[in-house]
Amino acid sequence: NAGVTQTPKFRVLKTGQSMTLLCAQDMNHEYMYWYRQDPGMGLRLIHYSVGEGTTAKGEVPDGYNVSRLKKQNFLLGLESAAPSQTSVYFCASRAEINEQYFGPGTRLTVT
Amino acid sequence: GENVEQHPSTLSVQEGDSAVIKCTYSDSASNYFPWYKQELGKRPQLIIDIRSNVGEKKDQRIAVTLNKTAKHFSLHITETQPEDSAVYFCAASMTGSARQLTFGSGTQLTVLP
Repeated sequence: NAGVTQTPKFRVLKTGQSMTLLCAQDMNHEYMYWYRQDPGMGLRLIHYSVGEGTTAKGEVPDGYNVSRLKKQNFLLGLESAAPSQTSVYFCASRAEINEQYFGPGTRLTVT
Repeated sequence: GENVEQHPSTLSVQEGDSAVIKCTYSDSASNYFPWYKQELGKRPQLIIDIRSNVGEKKDQRIAVTLNKTAKHFSLHITETQPEDSAVYFCAASMTGSARQLTFGSGTQLTVLP
């Protein structure tokens, strides 16, 4: 049981490039979330999904898109990366109870 | 939307002493309050949580108290050990299908040997 996994672990992008972050969970959880973590600001919700085929905006959605084509996967896309998107990105998933399980994170640098 | 404020941002204690971290929330509809511990370079991990129908919850050296009237909740760690050194985050969530968490900005706890 791998729990929540994220790919890649690290990435460096140039301004304007695009990329997709993959989150996968093997716990059959309905709910999945993408957060970004910046120094001194805690974790902020980017987008979330309440089930396969659904997505919704969180607190800081601008510049990001998401898709949940399969229940176990939640993809986060950056269409045109900007230096302000340099951050650590965490994915999380949750069953019906409240606890969210986090993935190991992806450290993204945009130059 | 919900707003969660967390204090202090840094906290240093001597090994064996107690540590207290406080959070306030803005939305009276919030009813679930977890605390996460994050070690350097690692993922956040749930250490304790409390629901609004309970005033206090304990798990060994860790306890959380909730004051719904004042809209604040606190984390108490007793007999601190060096391995308690980490960043601690509080969060609040409302009922609803998504139950999104709103996080505080974190407290860097350092336990000095």
